[in-house]
Amino acid sequence: QQQVKQSPQSLIVQKGGIPIINCAYENTAFDYFPWYQQFPGKGPALLIAIRPDVSEKKEGRFTISFNKSAKQFSLHIMDSQPGDSATYFCAASAGGGNKLTFGTGTQLKVEL
Amino acid sequence: GAVVSQHPSRVICKSGTSVKIECRSLDFQATTMFWYRQFPKQSLMLMATSNEGSKATYEQGVEKDKFLINHASLTLSTLTVTSAHPEDSSFYICSASNPLRRTYEQYFGPGTRLTVT
Repeated sequence: QQQVKQSPQSLIVQKGGIPIINCAYENTAFDYFPWYQQFPGKGPALLIAIRPDVSEKKEGRFTISFNKSAKQFSLHIMDSQPGDSATYFCAASAGGGNKLTFGTGTQLKVEL
Repeated sequence: GAVVSQHPSRVICKSGTSVKIECRSLDFQATTMFWYRQFPKQSLMLMATSNEGSKATYEQGVEKDKFLINHASLTLSTLTVTSAHPEDSSFYICSASNPLRRTYEQYFGPGTRLTVT
C-alpha cells in the first residue's frame, strides 16, 4: 500500500533526447508527488512537484504528467543534456510535511 | 531559500564508538525533520521523523536506542549513532519541512558519509 514503483531502473539517451521516467502508487491518500535529482555523494535536490488537482506541470525543461485514475505519474526531461546525468527519484506523501515514500530510483545517463 | 546543512560531511570512526551528525535548517524554521539512510545505488530509507520538542517516531526495524535523535530547536536536529559497527556504514541524509508554512516541500541536506572501521 505504501510502495511507489519506479521504472526504468536505468536509462541512456542521446543529448537532446527526452527521457521519461514513470512511477505508480497504490495509496489513494497520497496527495503530493515530488521528483528529486541526486548526484553521486550529494543529497537529493527537489526538481519539481505536483498535487493531484492538476494533470501536468512544467518547470523549465522538466515536466510532470499526472494520471490520477491510473495512479501514475511521470517525469519528462526536454532537451536533455550531459549535465542531467544523475539518479532521479519519484516520491509521494499524504498531507503536508508528512513522510515521503520514495521510488527505487532511475539512473539516467545522457550521452553526447 | 530552503537551505539545509549537515555536519560533518564525512566521518570515520572506530567500531564501538558513537558519532553525532547535525542537521540544520539555515533560512527557515523546520518544525519537522526526517532522517534517512542510503546504501550505494539504493533508494532512501526513512529512519525516523522528529518534531521539534517531542520524541522522534522511528520506522519499523530501526533501533531507537542505537540511533538517537534530538530535535531541540526549530533549526537543529541531531542523529547520534551509538556503539557503531561496520554495518552502520552508510550515507545519512536529513530533510526538513515546515507544514505550518502550508507547503509540502521537504528540503534535503547534502548528506553525511559514515564509515565505521
